Amino acid sequence: QKEVEQDPGPLSVPEGAIVSLNCTYSNSAFQYFMWYRQYSRKGPELLMYTYSSGNKEDGRFTAQVDKSSKYISLFIRDSQPSDSATYLCAMSADFGNEKLTFGTGTRLTIIP
Amino acid sequence: EAGVAQSPRYKIIEKRQSVAFWCNPISGHATLYWYQQILGQGPKLLIQFQNNGVVDDSQLPKDRFSAERLKGVDSTLKIQPAKLEDSAVYLCASSLAVGGTFYSYEQYFGPGTRLTVT
Repeated sequence: QKEVEQDPGPLSVPEGAIVSLNCTYSNSAFQYFMWYRQYSRKGPELLMYTYSSGNKEDGRFTAQVDKSSKYISLFIRDSQPSDSATYLCAMSADFGNEKLTFGTGTRLTIIP
Repeated sequence: EAGVAQSPRYKIIEKRQSVAFWCNPISGHATLYWYQQILGQGPKLLIQFQNNGVVDDSQLPKDRFSAERLKGVDSTLKIQPAKLEDSAVYLCASSLAVGGTFYSYEQYFGPGTRLTVT
């Protein structure tokens, strides 16, 4: 069993839809939970992070962490074509975001 | 602020040949990472440097991979000899790694070098 599982998709939704991306994990030591966005032929860029359980909102993006279920989610509201990318969840047990363990990524396409 | 620079962007080699990748991190960033991202997978850490010292190389296949970070700035990753399964994107990332906030440790990624081994 992989430490971090993520549905690879691909996922295609119409513009304006709400998108839900999810990851599950097995290592209970993980405390920092991140979402990265990776455009084609680019490196990943940090989108959001959450420490421990709870919700965090940033504009159209909401990250949720449920440590009791070992489950994290990223919601994108009012999705735009520019949101089309691969979304990677990443986790760390250490302060900051060193020693990251990544999911496989979900490829998302927003259809205009 | 300039980002993480990597070269070359693409490389095609035959198996058993050697190859080297170069990374120039963001100025002032103490920590440098090399990741391997196989198609359809997330990045996997190969090696982490703090200044010019190795912090973690537990997942580096040391029989064929080597990396160095001279003078604590630029870094090179070498593969010798290459195998078919080494085909991947090799990402370099750097972080400031100074201070007490989460974002002090945010990793900034370069565009990667796409390696194809035939």
